[in-house]
Amino acid sequence: ETGVTQSPTHLIKTRGQQVTLRCSSQSGHNTVSWYQQALGQGPQFIFQYYREEENGRGNFPPRFSGLQFPNYSSELNVNALELDDSALYLCASSTKQGFDYGYTFGSGTRLTVV
Amino acid sequence: DQQVKQNSPSLSVQEGRISILNCDYTNSMFDYFLWYKKYPAEGPTFLISISSIKDKNEDGRFTVFLNKSAKHLSLHIVPSQPGDSAVYFCAGTNAGGTSYGKLTFGQGTILTVHP
Repeated sequence: ETGVTQSPTHLIKTRGQQVTLRCSSQSGHNTVSWYQQALGQGPQFIFQYYREEENGRGNFPPRFSGLQFPNYSSELNVNALELDDSALYLCASSTKQGFDYGYTFGSGTRLTVV
Repeated sequence: DQQVKQNSPSLSVQEGRISILNCDYTNSMFDYFLWYKKYPAEGPTFLISISSIKDKNEDGRFTVFLNKSAKHLSLHIVPSQPGDSAVYFCAGTNAGGTSYGKLTFGQGTILTVHP
């Protein structure tokens, strides 16, 4: 059984640029959620995808968007990067929409915006 | 609006003693709570959970207590081991509602267990 894998592990971008982060869900999981963890804070919910559709969103602006593919892998896209977007981005997968709390987290992508 | 708060940024205990990590919440809609452990350079790992219909849940060395009237939960680790040294996050969610599996996390507590 493979876990959740995220790529890249580290990334440096310039303010105003766009970035795409990738996540491969754990085998058998059909729901993926994305979280942003700023330094010294707990993870904050960005959104969740189920059956390739966004299904729930946290308090993040529209420049944060995502995709889920038929194989349940997922992408997080952030446009017009700001310095405050510097954070660890975590992907978590689960088996059911909102009811299986055995979320499996990936190790994250560390994004630095300069 | 910090709906889940872990007021102790860090905790240091001796190996073999009890570790008690605390968490307070303000959202009355939360009916399910989880604890996660996070090592550096790894993602959070699920530790233990509790439903609001219970006031205690045990799993080996880990016990979570829930006091709904005080909106407070705590994680007890007995006995503590050096390998337990990590950042611990508590999280709440509205399992019965339309939270879409959204977990609201606290800021985390760094636990250090000294040999």
